[in-house]
Amino acid sequence: DGGITQSPKYLFRKEGQNVTLSCEQNLNHDAMYWYRQDPGQGLRLIYYSQIVNDFQKGDIAEGYSVSREKKESFPLTVTSAQKNPTAFYLCASSRTDHNSPLHFGNGTRLTVT
Amino acid sequence: GQNIDQPTEMTATEGAIVQINCTYQTSGFNGLFWYQQHAGEAPTFLSYNVLDGLEEKGRFSSFLSRSKGYSYLLLKELQMKDSASYLCAVRSMNTGFQKLVFGTGTRLLVSP
Repeated sequence: DGGITQSPKYLFRKEGQNVTLSCEQNLNHDAMYWYRQDPGQGLRLIYYSQIVNDFQKGDIAEGYSVSREKKESFPLTVTSAQKNPTAFYLCASSRTDHNSPLHFGNGTRLTVT
Repeated sequence: GQNIDQPTEMTATEGAIVQINCTYQTSGFNGLFWYQQHAGEAPTFLSYNVLDGLEEKGRFSSFLSRSKGYSYLLLKELQMKDSASYLCAVRSMNTGFQKLVFGTGTRLLVSP
């Protein structure tokens, strides 16, 4: 079955440590995205990639980094520069035509103490 | 800029009908999506509207009026499993990328 997989589901880190969240899809989608979800706020776009070896900053990219070396993979690194890293992180993928919905992974809940 | 408004929370009874409204302000509108999200889980796609009118999919329907910047999601024959958050998202052209902007979501509580 095709889908999008995020791991791990829960992640705990100490302040000052970088952490990388995994996202893999086998839907053959060109576009991939990272969103952050906080209580009382809509999903906010961190980074997106429309094609391999290319990615762009979203609305809240500061303190995050990504890579897109393979079509299937779009890992997100939360660096120590991110001031409020504790959140629910959602990865998504889609085709690039305008009516293509986003398909989401099950999310990673990151807690930094 | 873009702005999307939805009610924060709604309650309804099993078997009833509920309408969840979404108003938006955006430039370069290119489609509106509704997603369902159960707590702690991934949002799942429900419907897509790009032209004015009603799209029906089983118990769920979605309506769009582009001139009014307005959409609603209609849920019929409510079931307990419909208790979830419903996210309205608007796609707009933004420097060549079709960006999807989400509202804060409407939490629907279905009671017996």
